Formats: sequence, C-alpha cells, structure tokens
Amino acid sequence: GQNIDQPTEMTATEGAIVQINCTYQTSGFNGLFWYQQHAGEAPTFLSYNVLDGLEEKGRFSSFLSRSKGYSYLLLKELQMKDSASYLCAVMDSNYQLIWGAGTKLIIKP
Amino acid sequence: GAVVSQHPSRVICKSGTSVKIECRSLDFQATTMFWYRQFPKQSLMLMATSNEGSKATYEQGVEKDKFLINHASLTLSTLTVTSAHPEDSSFYICSAIRRDGYNEQFFGPGTRLTVL
Repeated sequence: GQNIDQPTEMTATEGAIVQINCTYQTSGFNGLFWYQQHAGEAPTFLSYNVLDGLEEKGRFSSFLSRSKGYSYLLLKELQMKDSASYLCAVMDSNYQLIWGAGTKLIIKP
Repeated sequence: GAVVSQHPSRVICKSGTSVKIECRSLDFQATTMFWYRQFPKQSLMLMATSNEGSKATYEQGVEKDKFLINHASLTLSTLTVTSAHPEDSSFYICSAIRRDGYNEQFFGPGTRLTVL
C-alpha cells in the first residue's frame, strides 16, 4: 500500500532550526510537496521537490532523496508564527496526492 | 499565485437539510479540482476528484449519493452534502490544479460545516 510517515509533533525554540522528516512508499512518484497549515485554515504551499537535492527558499529548505524515499523540511530562524502543522504529500503515478498525517510544530519563546 | 475561493466559509444547518459548497478558481482554468474533508486534529482526506464535464471519481468509503459533486465549468465545482447529519460536521476544502504549473494544488480557504 501507499504510506507517508512523518512525526506527529515536534517542539523547537524561537530563533532555532528544526528539521521535519518525511518517508514515503508510493506507487510511482511525480514529486513531493510540503504544505503549511495553521489551525482552522486551508494548507498553503511551501515547496516542491521532484529531483534529488536541496531546494532553498528563504528560511525554508526542502530536501529529497528518491532512492531512500525520504524528504525533510528545514526551517531556520524560527518565528512564533511558524507554529503550525506541516504536511508532507507525494504525487503518485496517477497524479493524485497522498498525504501524510502532518507534523504539529510548537515554537516556544 | 493562483487564487481559489470557496463559499460559504462557514455554515450551520439542521440535520436532514442539504448544503451546497462552491469552489471557484478565480484567475486560472482548472480542469481538475479535488474535494477534501478534514476532521479536527487529523490530516486531509481526499473525498473525490472532480474533472470538468465528467463524473467525479470518489474515494473508497465516500458515498457518491450523499456527496454530490458537479464540475460544470473550468472554474467552478460544487459539493452538495445531502441530508446532512451531525457526523458530517467537518472542514471541507477544495483545491484546483493549474496545469501550466508543475501540478501544484491551490487550496481554497475551506468551509466549516456544522450540522446540529
């Protein structure tokens, strides 16, 4: 079956760095997405990886290793507003998104 | 970025009534739209894939007669929850794919449905 795994919850300190991991097993691969979702709101797009390597976008970076079925989202210089759930999703061979359960990130002062 | 709107943003209804939720892509054409449901503290669950001009494809366990989806144009898809019950109370989110991008999904703001 298809499976996306990511930690349920993580805690980090304001100004620090946090890495949220995601491992996946899917039928086909057409890219991996990271979304941010604040409580009560719809998800917003953060990043897309389809080739191996690191994609950097401001304070956020995303890494992909297709051979390992592994990705991580790296958040630097954490701010209180970064407290949210971070969703990892893989687009399978049918171009449908398979979603992880999300990682709730708690930022402490 | 592309904009997807949903209406209404919040609805409260009595058990047994039907509720229609609209999803519009405002500045692009979306041949495919998705409908998701999210219960508190849970991940998004895909309900159905809606293709313009054809019948929606429902995920296993989603009743197509209860959740009616119509995708009549390239910018509008509707989800009708028929004979709603309290267990249908949830956050319903639509998304649309912009084909000229890299299959990125643009999400609507969501509709909070509460069935009394």
